This record gives sequence, structure tokens and C-alpha cells, in this order.
Amino acid sequence: DQQVKQNSPSLSVQEGRISILNCDYTNSMFDYFLWYKKYPAEGPTFLISISSIKDKNEDGRFTVFLNKSAKHLSLHIVPSQPGDSAVYFCAASALGNQFYFGTGTSLTVIP
Amino acid sequence: DAGVIQSPRHEVTEMGQEVTLRCKPISGHNSLFWYRQTMMRGLELLIYFNNNVPIDDSGMPEDRFSAKMPNASFSTLKIQPSEPRDSAVYFCASSYTSGGLGETQYFGPGTRLLVL
Repeated sequence: DQQVKQNSPSLSVQEGRISILNCDYTNSMFDYFLWYKKYPAEGPTFLISISSIKDKNEDGRFTVFLNKSAKHLSLHIVPSQPGDSAVYFCAASALGNQFYFGTGTSLTVIP
Repeated sequence: DAGVIQSPRHEVTEMGQEVTLRCKPISGHNSLFWYRQTMMRGLELLIYFNNNVPIDDSGMPEDRFSAKMPNASFSTLKIQPSEPRDSAVYFCASSYTSGGLGETQYFGPGTRLLVL
């Protein structure tokens, strides 16, 4: 059973607008969350992380929000750029154990 | 610095054949992970090693799958015999962990396997 879910398989956004990618999880013990970005024919690369002691972490155009009560995680990209077009995976771990990944959301930023 | 190296990048084989995927982790990393990516299940962890020792292989789908890490710089994932449903992209990742495994993992480019 998927412990980390990304219910939107794809998302299209105009260049310059905000992209919001969502992720839900079921395990309340998860305490560390990451977003990975994956281009075609490449492996996923780390993008941004957040610990459960925070509800927001920002890195340039990328911000991750964590809502623990809702078991919901989101990644905001502002402004979106064509180079952001990729598949985005969220991942979660509990107490330093293995990561569980979602199925990914394919983002297309339209110039 | 070289990242995680995987070979081959592409593999096409016939059902029933043995397939061996190879991985060289980043030097200095002490944890190695094998993942399988499918459309339905995303990235699934198959097995991970810490200091060359298999820690959790509960994600290995069947006895047809086996993995080894004979030393800190090399790991293999073997499928014998292969079946069409094994067709997927297989990723190897490594990380340096000083305690738990919550540290960032660095992924290789993947091996795209097609079993006919």
C-alpha cells in the first residue's frame, strides 16, 4: 500500500506562474520529507527537504510546505520556468529509516 | 566528482534470461539502495545496504531477485530468470549515513530494462 501518494500524475503551468505540486502521506511517524526532480533519462536529483519540526522551508524559487495535521506536503515553484519541466517525486522517512517515494507528478511549464 | 555509476544504461533481453545490473556508489558513501521505477508504483525500494551489509530486502519482489555488495564500491542486482513484468527502470542510489538513513540519496542514471 502506498504510504506516500501524489494524486496528480501531471500538471501544466504557464511560464512565470506558480506551480503547486501536492503530496499526501498516511504514516504519522514520518518526520523527514524531500522532493526530488527527475529529467528524462536521468536519475532523480535532490531538490529540497523539510523536517517535521518545521512547516515551511524555502530555497530560492522553491518552497516546501508541511501540514502535519492533514498529512500533506506541497512544493511551490515561483516563478515557474521552462527548465522546471520534469517529474517531481516526494519522499518521506520515519525516524531515520528508509524513504518511501510517491509515484511522481510530471510538470510541464509552457513558455 | 563522479556520481553514482550504473551499467548497462539499457538492457533488452528475452524472458527466462539472467540479467545483471551493476552499480558503483559515490566514493565515501556507506549506504546503497536499489530502486525500481514503474508507472503504477513510482519508485519502490527493493533493497538497501549499509556498510556492505544487506539491511532490508523486504522490497525484493521474488526469489528471482538477488543483490550483492561484495565491497564498498560495487553492487549488483540480479534477476534470474527474468520475466516481462520485470521491465522497468532500475535505479541505484547512495548516501553517507552517520546514524539513520534519512540523509539525502544520490541517484545514478538508471538502467532501463526491457524483458521480451
